[in-house]
Amino acid sequence: AQSVAQPEDQVNVAEGNPLTVKCTYSVSGNPYLFWYVQYPNRGLQFLLKYITGDNLVKGSYGFEAEFNKSQTSFHLKKPSALVSDSALYFCAVRDPQFTGGGNKLTFGTGTQLKVEL
Amino acid sequence: DTAVSQTPKYLVTQMGNDKSIKCEQNLGHDTMYWYKQDSKKFLKIMFSYNNKELIINETVPNRFSPKSPDKAHLNLHINSLELGDSAVYFCASSQDGLGRTEAFFGQGTRLTVV
Repeated sequence: AQSVAQPEDQVNVAEGNPLTVKCTYSVSGNPYLFWYVQYPNRGLQFLLKYITGDNLVKGSYGFEAEFNKSQTSFHLKKPSALVSDSALYFCAVRDPQFTGGGNKLTFGTGTQLKVEL
Repeated sequence: DTAVSQTPKYLVTQMGNDKSIKCEQNLGHDTMYWYKQDSKKFLKIMFSYNNKELIINETVPNRFSPKSPDKAHLNLHINSLELGDSAVYFCASSQDGLGRTEAFFGQGTRLTVV
């Protein structure tokens, strides 16, 4: 079974400071990992993904994430936060060894990011 | 030009009614999905279709029935609506059904059952 955990319900950070949103996963094989962002009353927007290759993945809006296999983590980071980054962030995992159900993404519970002036 | 569009955006209905939500994608993707987001923002997959064929059917009551007339459309019909069905339903699509490509989501349909 695949699972993903986002240990923080909310992260507060001052504008201009670096931000980190944490994600850990559990799969039987090498994971496919994704980050999505949800603004109020909107659908999810894709930020970045790790499938294979370089552990540091760069995505939209200046976000990046580092795949750490030993710690089974895929934390989302940004060097300098903006007020407009305030939103709900979801980590998701897909176990490529799970062949029985197509593209079955499992989402974390979400982390609300609040960036203040 | 909206990539994944679903209608209606809001749906308020009484218990026991039957309702449908429509979804269309113009991205040429092979795989489409329905997700449910509950009041705590928890997202869970309900169904997935690949080229009109059902490939994921999670533990969802039989009252929920997806239909895919072609690979660009995936509709969700719900019979005998219950209070607990109140949620935001998201349609999504992706290029492949193997998990390597990201999903594109619609703006959601907020269903309120009263």
